Amino acid sequence: SQQGEEDPQALSIQEGENATMNCSYKTSINNLQWYRQNSGRGLVHLILIRSNEREKHSGRLRVTLDTSKKSSSLLITASRAADTASYFCATDANDMRFGAGTRLTVKP
Amino acid sequence: NAGVMQNPRHLVRRRGQEARLRCSPMKGHSHVYWYRQLPEEGLKFMVYLQKENIIDESGMPKERFSAEFPKEGPSILRIQQVVRGDSAAYFCASSPAGQNIQYFGAGTRLSVL
Repeated sequence: SQQGEEDPQALSIQEGENATMNCSYKTSINNLQWYRQNSGRGLVHLILIRSNEREKHSGRLRVTLDTSKKSSSLLITASRAADTASYFCATDANDMRFGAGTRLTVKP
Repeated sequence: NAGVMQNPRHLVRRRGQEARLRCSPMKGHSHVYWYRQLPEEGLKFMVYLQKENIIDESGMPKERFSAEFPKEGPSILRIQQVVRGDSAAYFCASSPAGQNIQYFGAGTRLSVL
């Protein structure tokens, strides 16, 4: 099945630094979404970017989308310890499959 | 508007027993998704249902697993004759018709002894 694939698999940074995660996909899409999962809990929707958008902001989150490269990036600026979580991308192709995610650790 | 409700939160079964996991979608949501997650791993898609219809069950094991979303009542994920390898967290998500954003429940953690 085709789905979003996140990289890196794991990322460890200090509080205050920026965190960048990437997502690649294989098919044409109408939109791409990023979700966060805190340990042991369900996923929470963060942001949706449509195929005709190149960049979108929400608070400290910045998402870019490059449809020619079939890739997206999620940037978290001025990270906090509370941002420690796993981050997943998913596209509307093939019923929203999720990849393995990026495990972000923000050290205080 | 209550969120997606899954119950039980924790379920312990012995090998060979049946496990029934329930998911009540958000009010007005007609689409339900089930996922399985092993520790330290990502979500694995299992099945996508709309009311009274299975839309995509390509992620479901062919044997022992079944899912339904009846016209009335919650969606049920049923695992017959459970084995230790079925131990995992099972998440349900729902979405309204015409929208991709999924709203997740807190999950059911199944432990098979």
